[in-house]
Amino acid sequence: GNSVTQMEGPVTLSEEAFLTINCTYTATGYPSLFWYVQYPGEGLQLLLKATKADDKGSNKGFEATYRKETTSFHLEKGSVQVSDSAVYFCALLISSGSARQLTFGSGTQLTVLP
Amino acid sequence: EPEVTQTPSHQVTQMGQEVILRCVPISNHLYFYWYRQILGQKVEFLVSFYNNEISEKSEIFDDQFSVERPDGSNFTLKIRSTKLEDSAMYFCASRAGAAGELFFGEGSRLTVL
Repeated sequence: GNSVTQMEGPVTLSEEAFLTINCTYTATGYPSLFWYVQYPGEGLQLLLKATKADDKGSNKGFEATYRKETTSFHLEKGSVQVSDSAVYFCALLISSGSARQLTFGSGTQLTVLP
Repeated sequence: EPEVTQTPSHQVTQMGQEVILRCVPISNHLYFYWYRQILGQKVEFLVSFYNNEISEKSEIFDDQFSVERPDGSNFTLKIRSTKLEDSAMYFCASRAGAAGELFFGEGSRLTVL
C-alpha cells in the first residue's frame, strides 16, 4: 500500500537556523508529493508540491525535491523564522479512478525560538 | 479569499450520542472530503464525495458514519453512535476539479467522553 514516513518531532530551532524535515514514501505507481503546513489554530494549507521525479517545489523560502531514486521529498529552509513555527505534513497523492485521496505522514512539530 | 469553513470548532459529547459536523466548502467546488487526525497520529482519509454520492471511503468509514450534502452548500459528517476512539480532529476539504488543489478547513475537534 501507500505510506509516508516523516521525521519525528518535535523539532526546536533558533531563528535563522537551517531546517531539514525528512520524508520518505512508499507508493504504487508515480505519486505527486506535497508538504502541508498547519499553523496554530488554523487548517491545513498547501505549502509546496512536486508532481514528477526531479521536480523541485518551493514557497516562502521552503524547498523540497522529488527524488525517485531515494523515494524522498525532504523539506528544507535555509533560515527559519519564529513565524515558521507550525506542524508540517508530508503527503502523497495517487489517482484512484474518479476519486483522489491524500496519504499523510504523521506530522512534524517545528518550534522556532527567537 | 474563499475558504472552507467548519462548525463547531470543538464539540464534547457522551459516548453513544449522535454527532453532526458541518462544513461549507468553497462555493464552486465539486469534490468534497473528510479526513480525521487522532491526537498524535496521522491525518487519515475517511471519505470522498462527488456528484451527490460517495466516490470512495476508507475502512474507518463504517456504518456508524454517513455524509450528506443536504442543501447544496453544506457538507455534513454524521457519526451515529460515538465511541471513545472517535475522539479526533475532523478536517473537511474541497477542490474545484479532479486535479485541483485541495483546500482544507480549520477542523472540528470532537471529544467523546
